[in-house]
Amino acid sequence: EAGVVQSPRYKIIEKKQPVAFWCNPISGHNTLYWYLQNLGQGPELLIRYENEEAVDDSQLPKDRFSAERLKGVDSTLKIQPAELGDSAVYLCASSLDARGRAGDTQYFGPGTRLTVL
Amino acid sequence: AQSVTQLDSQVPVFEEAPVELRCNYSSSVSVYLFWYVQYPNQGLQLLLKYLSGSTLVKGINGFEAEFNKSQTSFHLRKPSVHISDTAEYFCAVTLYSSASKIIFGSGTRLSIRP
Repeated sequence: EAGVVQSPRYKIIEKKQPVAFWCNPISGHNTLYWYLQNLGQGPELLIRYENEEAVDDSQLPKDRFSAERLKGVDSTLKIQPAELGDSAVYLCASSLDARGRAGDTQYFGPGTRLTVL
Repeated sequence: AQSVTQLDSQVPVFEEAPVELRCNYSSSVSVYLFWYVQYPNQGLQLLLKYLSGSTLVKGINGFEAEFNKSQTSFHLRKPSVHISDTAEYFCAVTLYSSASKIIFGSGTRLSIRP
């Protein structure tokens, strides 16, 4: 069974440029998460989707970040414009249950490492 | 609000030696606890989790952890480590009442010396 797929794996951009990351969750998984992982830190939740609905986006900086999950399958996270401080790894994860229960196992993709120059 | 503290940022050990990675959490309500492992340039993988029942939880790759409610700890142990265990280990907590919002610790880098 294929795991969570993310692309690109690496991205280098100049500040003020836009960037987008794509995630395809494990087939049949209804809940999808985007996390930000700074160097030497644990992941921090940006947004959680239950099917196509964003149910927790309280940590998403909405002035420059946006996300969508059309049709409740794959998802895109966008930053426009990017800032130097956005350099980090962006992780996508998915879990099976649509209700996103607290004890559910989350399966992580390999991440996209973003470098903003 | 809940929080997780991983007391050691780096733990060097010799191959075949035992290891313990420490994790303490803070929460006023009941929690679920997790340990995840992150190998270089990869995403996180679940090692084990405590939801309820026996306080000793066994996971993959020979790891185990013990939930201690009185000390609010969930330390990870392995009796004999291998070179392949070199990775970053994250402890995490989520509330019973919170739909999957996991709070991660800052991680412990385990380095194995031959």
